[in-house]
Amino acid sequence: GQNIDQPTEMTATEGAIVQINCTYQTSGFNGLFWYQQHAGEAPTFLSYNVLDGLEEKGRFSSFLSRSKGYSYLLLKELQMKDSASYLCAAMDSNYQLIWGAGTKLIIKP
Amino acid sequence: SQTIHQWPATLVQPVGSPLSLECTVEGTSNPNLYWYRQAAGRGLQLLFYSVGIGQISSEVPQNLSASRPQDRQFILSSKKLLLSDSGFYLCACPGGGSDNSPLHFGNGTRLTVT
Repeated sequence: GQNIDQPTEMTATEGAIVQINCTYQTSGFNGLFWYQQHAGEAPTFLSYNVLDGLEEKGRFSSFLSRSKGYSYLLLKELQMKDSASYLCAAMDSNYQLIWGAGTKLIIKP
Repeated sequence: SQTIHQWPATLVQPVGSPLSLECTVEGTSNPNLYWYRQAAGRGLQLLFYSVGIGQISSEVPQNLSASRPQDRQFILSSKKLLLSDSGFYLCACPGGGSDNSPLHFGNGTRLTVT
């Protein structure tokens, strides 16, 4: 079957670095997406990886290893506004998204 | 880029009452459209998707239905709501023209069934 796993909750300190991991199993693969979702709001797109390696976008980076079925989202210089849920989603061979349950990130001052 | 409108933003409905949620999209023609539901503290569950007018695919059997009467309009309905229908309903469409374009979401409708 198709499956996505990511931690339920993580806590980090303002100014620090945090890495949110995601493992996936899909029938075929057409890319891995990360979304940010603040409480009570809709998800917003953060990053997309389809090739192995690291993609950097300012304070946020996303990594993919297709052979390991593994991705992570790296957040640097954490700010209080980064407190949110981070959703991992893998796209299968039919271009359908398989969603993880999300990782709630709590930032402490 | 497209804009997705959803309404209402919040809704409280009694068990057994009907439901109609509307989504309209601006800025693109013949988009793929999606209805998702997110239960409290849970991931996104795909309910329906549509590749064109009158074309609806259902992902999860339930008491909900969807219709696409116009190119940029997608409606989610129910004849009789259940308590388990409570959740955050999101309409989405791809942000670009390729199959692997990231989805953009409307602001969502928070439905509470009492």
